[in-house]
Amino acid sequence: EDQVTQSPEALRLQEGESSSLNCSYTVSGLRGLFWYRQDPGKGPEFLFTLYSAGEEKEKERLKATLTKKESFLHITAPKPEDSATYLCAVQALGNAGNMLTFGGGTRLMVKP
Amino acid sequence: DSGVTQTPKHLITATGQRVTLRCSPRSGDLSVYWYQQSLDQGLQFLIQYYNGEERAKGNILERFSAQQFPDLHSELNLSSLELGDSALYFCASNPKPGTSGSRNTGELFFGEGSRLTVL
Repeated sequence: EDQVTQSPEALRLQEGESSSLNCSYTVSGLRGLFWYRQDPGKGPEFLFTLYSAGEEKEKERLKATLTKKESFLHITAPKPEDSATYLCAVQALGNAGNMLTFGGGTRLMVKP
Repeated sequence: DSGVTQTPKHLITATGQRVTLRCSPRSGDLSVYWYQQSLDQGLQFLIQYYNGEERAKGNILERFSAQQFPDLHSELNLSSLELGDSALYFCASNPKPGTSGSRNTGELFFGEGSRLTVL
């Protein structure tokens, strides 16, 4: 069974204080690993897809990296508007359809 | 705005009742996915439809059913509701791989959700 575990559950940062969010996964064969951002009362918003170990993707202050067992979302010099819940999900090879298995998320709060 | 529309936004009902949640995917998207998000279970995949046909099923209860209509909108029917069914229900859609710049079908566009409260 595919599993995704995210840590920490919650993270408080001061504006400008860089940090990383962790996503550990077990999957029979990885088709893709995805990062989403979710604001309160909203649906998740797609950020990145990573396909293979060593791959990196960047968008503004966010950088996602992937190893064979985990992914990191690095946040550099965060701003209050980066406050949200960040969700990690995996898609396994051979899945019927295209279902994603999500982790529990990391709730990020950036204080000014 | 993701382009995925869900109605109603909020719904309060009693145990034992039946409700229908509606979703309109983004224009041109053929796939519709339903996910349930609760505090203790996180975001759980329920079911996927592609161009009117069921494509994949997740942990969807037998009391729940869904369908996708010829105009591609989808409905999720929840019956014999229990307190534990209280959750946010999200619909998502995505373009066919290779279209609109999308390489992978895991890149989903989510609606804003329907919040169901069962009392």
